[in-house]
Amino acid sequence: DAGVIQSPRHEVTEMGQEVTLRCKPISGHNSLFWYRQTMMRGLELLIYFNNNVPIDDSGMPEDRFSAKMPNASFSTLKIQPSEPRDSAVYFCASSPRGGRRNSPLHFGNGTRLTVT
Amino acid sequence: DQQVKQNSPSLSVQEGRISILNCDYTNSMFDYFLWYKKYPAEGPTFLISISSIKDKNEDGRFTVFLNKSAKHLSLHIVPSQPGDSAVYFCAAPLIQGAQKLVFGQGTRLTINP
Repeated sequence: DAGVIQSPRHEVTEMGQEVTLRCKPISGHNSLFWYRQTMMRGLELLIYFNNNVPIDDSGMPEDRFSAKMPNASFSTLKIQPSEPRDSAVYFCASSPRGGRRNSPLHFGNGTRLTVT
Repeated sequence: DQQVKQNSPSLSVQEGRISILNCDYTNSMFDYFLWYKKYPAEGPTFLISISSIKDKNEDGRFTVFLNKSAKHLSLHIVPSQPGDSAVYFCAAPLIQGAQKLVFGQGTRLTINP
């Protein structure tokens, strides 16, 4: 079991640049979640997908943020243009069984994003 | 609006003793709670959960207690071990039956030898 794989582990970019974070969920899991962790706000849900379909994107902070899941084994979170306040650790998580509550989330190791 | 609150940012406990981590919530509609554990440079990992129809759930050294009237839950670790040093998050689904989780701010537990 390879777990949830996120890339890159670290990303440093300049304000105004486009940033793309990538996630490969655990095979067979049909729910995928993007979370962001900051000192001020803790862990907050940005968006989640069931069967590759976005279900709830109410946590996406602004139009600068977008997420896609073109197939069951890949998702991206894009920030364009990036701003210093986007600096955070971004986690991807997946879960089996349609995201029901008795299916715990499996998190990747995160991408630490720094926008200068 | 912090619906799940962990008011202690850190806790230090001696090895072998009991660790008690606390969590308060404001939404009386929450009916399921989870605890996650996080090591540095890793993602959170699921530890234990409890349904609101129970007041206690035990798994080895870990026990979670739920007091619905007080809107309070606690995680007990007995005995505490150095490998338990981590950040612990409590969480609850915002929507019943779904996995849109809201997390507390976390408590950093340090187990001293």
